Amino acid sequence: SAVISQKPSRDICQRGTSLTIQCQVDSQVTMMFWYRQQPGQSLTLIATANQGSEATYESGFVIDKFPISRPNLTFSTLTVSNMSPEDSSIYLCSVGLYEQFFGPGTRLTVL
Amino acid sequence: DQQVKQNSPSLSVQEGRISILNCDYTNSMFDYFLWYKKYPAEGPTFLISISSIKDKNEDGRFTVFLNKSAKHLSLHIVPSQPGDSAVYFCAASFTSGTYKYIFGTGTRLKVLA
Repeated sequence: SAVISQKPSRDICQRGTSLTIQCQVDSQVTMMFWYRQQPGQSLTLIATANQGSEATYESGFVIDKFPISRPNLTFSTLTVSNMSPEDSSIYLCSVGLYEQFFGPGTRLTVL
Repeated sequence: DQQVKQNSPSLSVQEGRISILNCDYTNSMFDYFLWYKKYPAEGPTFLISISSIKDKNEDGRFTVFLNKSAKHLSLHIVPSQPGDSAVYFCAASFTSGTYKYIFGTGTRLKVLA
């Protein structure tokens, strides 16, 4: 398993602003994943981030809204841009292939 | 279109008894299935998995059963303990290519002391 940390753990933001979430892993990994869990909902995959290439986004998620960086094999960021209250969610990064291991999540509230 | 469903949003069980959590899926191409446990303010924790070539996998108090013909899997926890109280998610994936997970909506388990 991997040890994954995320920053910030929570934030309250105003609509129209952007927030960048950081994900740090204690070992080198090829693929990192970003998920969203809206209140009372399941986890939904936003995108898959490979080092050295552009992230692959799932249906319903676009790069302009959720730009992702993957500068090296242990780190990734997800930015939530031009936020609205509907973006209030828990955002999680994960690593692994057959069994994915998750970070503690970032709880975002947009007012 | 919810490809992975957990039809019971909540379940209460007495301590020491068996907890059975159920999960249904619609896509017969899924070939790997997992269960995760999630406590409040924490990320999901991997519990147990099963490949589509098996119909049962055990790990201590946790057993997962897979019925491919019914597109159904279940997690059995025996005996249930108060520390098992959490939200349980099942997930399904394709092991070739994307390793993309599709999660169910979760079942909140409460184990009563």
